[in-house]
Amino acid sequence: DTGVSQDPRHKITKRGQNVTFRCDPISEHNRLYWYRQTLGQGPEFLTYFQNEAQLEKSRLLSDRFSAERPKGSFSTLEIQRTEQGDSAMYLCASSLGSSEAGELFFGEGSRLTVL
Amino acid sequence: AQTVTQSQPEMSVQEAETVTLSCTYDTSENNYYLFWYKQPPSRQMILVIRQEAYKQQNATENRFSVNFQKAAKSFSLKISDSQLGDTAMYFCAFMKPGNTGKLIFGQGTTLQVKP
Repeated sequence: DTGVSQDPRHKITKRGQNVTFRCDPISEHNRLYWYRQTLGQGPEFLTYFQNEAQLEKSRLLSDRFSAERPKGSFSTLEIQRTEQGDSAMYLCASSLGSSEAGELFFGEGSRLTVL
Repeated sequence: AQTVTQSQPEMSVQEAETVTLSCTYDTSENNYYLFWYKQPPSRQMILVIRQEAYKQQNATENRFSVNFQKAAKSFSLKISDSQLGDTAMYFCAFMKPGNTGKLIFGQGTTLQVKP
């Protein structure tokens, strides 16, 4: 499968614990995005990378959240000291900078449940 | 700030019939992009159709077409000859120029196609 892959698909954790999600984009895609989707809502933009540079961060991304894309390939999203409000689906997407505007390829998401 | 509103949380249609999903948005931008994304149950989100605001002609992709009314800030999706595989959540999305991939999504409409 050459699509966007995310790991783990599901994560249950206790409040206060740290969690890390990984995203492997489509190999030739230079752009990578993180979105958060809560139940019954549309995805909300968190951050995006072009190659290894993090170009934009949403105000939704508090100090407890950090995202990296160290070699311009895979990316990690870490949430420290998780809170119940962090429970959501975390979606990763990738695109080629030269592709048609807005054509993002999404992964199946990583669902986080904070108890 | 831009906002996207989908006022129909749920809709249903009989197989082979036509259905229209509504979307309105608010922006002060003159040029932008609009999208419809489809999220099937437990599967990744995929792009259905794209519209560039400066193009007056409504976009079409096989059975999917849009009715773009720029002055009214309305962007509806028409699905013709509905198929069971069209059952999904549909999101309307907005993007400013610059092709950053930063999409602003509506709340979504769950479409059920009935046999």
